[in-house]
This record gives sequence, C-alpha cells and structure tokens, in this order.
Amino acid sequence: EIVMTQSPATLSVSPGEKTTLSCRASQSVSSNLAWYQQKPGQAPRLLIYDASTRATATPARLSGSGSGTEFSLTISSLQSEDFAVYYCQQYYNWPQTFGQGTKVEIK
Amino acid sequence: QLHLQESGPGLVKPSETLSLTCTVSGGSISSSSSFWGWIRQPPGKGLEWIGTIYYTGSTYYDPSLKRRVTISVDTSKNQFSLKLSSVTAADTAVYYCGRHEYSYRHVRYLDYWGQGTLVTVSS
Repeated sequence: EIVMTQSPATLSVSPGEKTTLSCRASQSVSSNLAWYQQKPGQAPRLLIYDASTRATATPARLSGSGSGTEFSLTISSLQSEDFAVYYCQQYYNWPQTFGQGTKVEIK
Repeated sequence: QLHLQESGPGLVKPSETLSLTCTVSGGSISSSSSFWGWIRQPPGKGLEWIGTIYYTGSTYYDPSLKRRVTISVDTSKNQFSLKLSSVTAADTAVYYCGRHEYSYRHVRYLDYWGQGTLVTVSS
C-alpha cells in the first residue's frame, strides 16, 4: 500500500497571502495524484488531477505541481472560500489512498 | 450534470451488516468511462477508500476491509450498493459514493461525489 503523507497538518494564513501544501508518497505514483478540498459538512470537491491539471471550476490561483513522490498545491492569494481542509490522493495503484489532510485556517 | 445520492439506515447495531445504496442520475452507470466507488470518513478524521466497482461487476476492495465488504451494481436501477458486515463502533462514519474517471485503461480520480450519509454503529 502506498502511504500518502501531507504536511503540515495545519496552516495558519492571512487572506491574500500565498501558501503551499505538501504531499509525499511512500513510492513513486508518477503523476497519478489528485487534490481535493473539503469544507465543513460538505463532500470533498476535486480541485486538481494528474498532479497539475485543474478540474472544471478550479480557480487559476490554485496550482498543482510535482511527480514521482513529491507534490505540492499552491494557492497564490488566499481568498475566504479557500479556508478548508485539503487532501491528496494517489490513483497509481490499488488500494487508492488519501493523505491525512492539511487544514488551512485563517490567521 | 451527474448526481449521486446515498441512501440507507443511519443507525446500525454492532455485529450487524451496514447496507447503503448510491443512486446515479444525470448519466448512465453503464458508462464505459466510469467506475463507481465508496469512501468513508470517521468523525473528525480523514478520507478512507473502501472499494470500487465497474458496471460489469468487477470490483476492487481495500485489503483491510476486504473480508467484510461487498459492493454490487444494479444497472437496471442505475444504482450500486455497499454492504459491510460485522460492524463495530469503528465503522461509524460519513459514507460517500463517488464516480471515478476511467481512461487510458486506468481507474483514476473521483470527480463526482454524493453528499454523504452518516452511519452510526451503536446498540
């Protein structure tokens, strides 16, 4: 099983600031990596797939990068709607696995 | 626009079987470009993949749950279902169904999710 490790667990950021979330895989997943956003009481929403391709309706201020074992999600200028929990997921092989999540909170 | 909706009991007794159904609307569950999955989230915790099915009935299960999980599909009703046997309090979670993109012969990310349903295991 591929273990996905996200860091940090919590990020305290001010609106308008830039921030970067990290996700590391225990073995290479090539570019088979997705990012999801989850707000309280809501289902996760796909943001990024194939490590760097934005899903429909994902704003341009969110960008994904990386391949192999190291990945990142960057939010260039945090807006109020970006405060949420973010999960990475590998779909390189079975079982598909998620990271434990990074909470982005208002500083 | 694809829509998924989970349904089933919100309370299950320990040692019994949890049963949930996901109804797909706005598209066909028999689409060749879709696989269908179940994911759960214990209260205050992260996401856990449970298993995934194709309309033909081919399944993939998480190894830690494999002994207790059965996922099935009913193409006539555009539904797929989850059964989890011998439940304990550790199975208390919000259960989501979702659609996997299938392309290049690879089951990929989840691009559509149901709203989720809370299942509590308690006597």
